[in-house]
Amino acid sequence: DAGVIQSPRHEVTEMGQEVTLRCKPISGHDYLFWYRQTMMRGLELLIYFNNNVPIDDSGMPEDRFSAKMPNASFSTLKIQPSEPRDSAVYFCASMRASSTDTQYFGPGTRLTVL
Amino acid sequence: AQSVTQLGSHVSVSEGALVLLRCNYSSSVPPYLFWYVQYPNQGLQLLLKYTTGATLVKGINGFEAEFKKSETSFHLTKPSAHMSDAAEYFCAVSDSYTGGGNKLTFGTGTQLKVEL
Repeated sequence: DAGVIQSPRHEVTEMGQEVTLRCKPISGHDYLFWYRQTMMRGLELLIYFNNNVPIDDSGMPEDRFSAKMPNASFSTLKIQPSEPRDSAVYFCASMRASSTDTQYFGPGTRLTVL
Repeated sequence: AQSVTQLGSHVSVSEGALVLLRCNYSSSVPPYLFWYVQYPNQGLQLLLKYTTGATLVKGINGFEAEFKKSETSFHLTKPSAHMSDAAEYFCAVSDSYTGGGNKLTFGTGTQLKVEL
C-alpha cells in the first residue's frame, strides 16, 4: 500500500510568493494532520481534519496560512504571502478513526523562503 | 494541557551498549504515549505506543518502553545498540479522553549517535 504522499519534496521560493503544499493521505484514513518542524520550535501541529472537516486549527500561525481538504484523498496547505520565517519542513500525517491508532507520516516538504 | 519532556537532546552510545532515552510526560487525564523515530530526510515512523493494558510495550527493531504512572515516565530502551539505530527519537502524548483525533504533543527530540 502506498503511504502518505507529499509534494513537492523541496520548495524554494522568494519572500512574498504564494506556496502550496500538497498531501494525499492513506486510503481509508479519516484523519489528516499538518505539522511543521523547525530547529527552534520542534514539531508543531498546525491543523487537523476529520472526514474532510477542519477540527482544530489553533496551531496555524497566522492568517497567511490556510488549509483545505476538498475530498478524502487530497489536502493543501497554502502560505500567502510567504516569509523567510516560514522556512521549515512540513509534514502531513493520516490516521484511521480510532484515537488509539497510529499516525502515519509522509516524507515531508522542505520549504525554503529566501 | 499535556506536555512531554525529553531529557538529553543528544545521546551517544557504543555499538552493542544499552540504549536509554528518557521521556517524562504531564497530563491531567490518562495519557496515550508514543515513541517515533525519524531518520535523516524522512518522516516520522512509529516505534511503539502505550494505550491501555500491559505497561511494558514492545516495538519494532528491538525497542521497548515501560509506562510508569507513579514516575510519569515512558523511557525507551534497547539492550544492544546497532549502527542503524542512529536517528532522532521523539516521545509524544495524546489525550485518552478526546475520543478521537489523537492530537499529539511531541517532545523536542533526542538525537541518538551510535559509535563503533
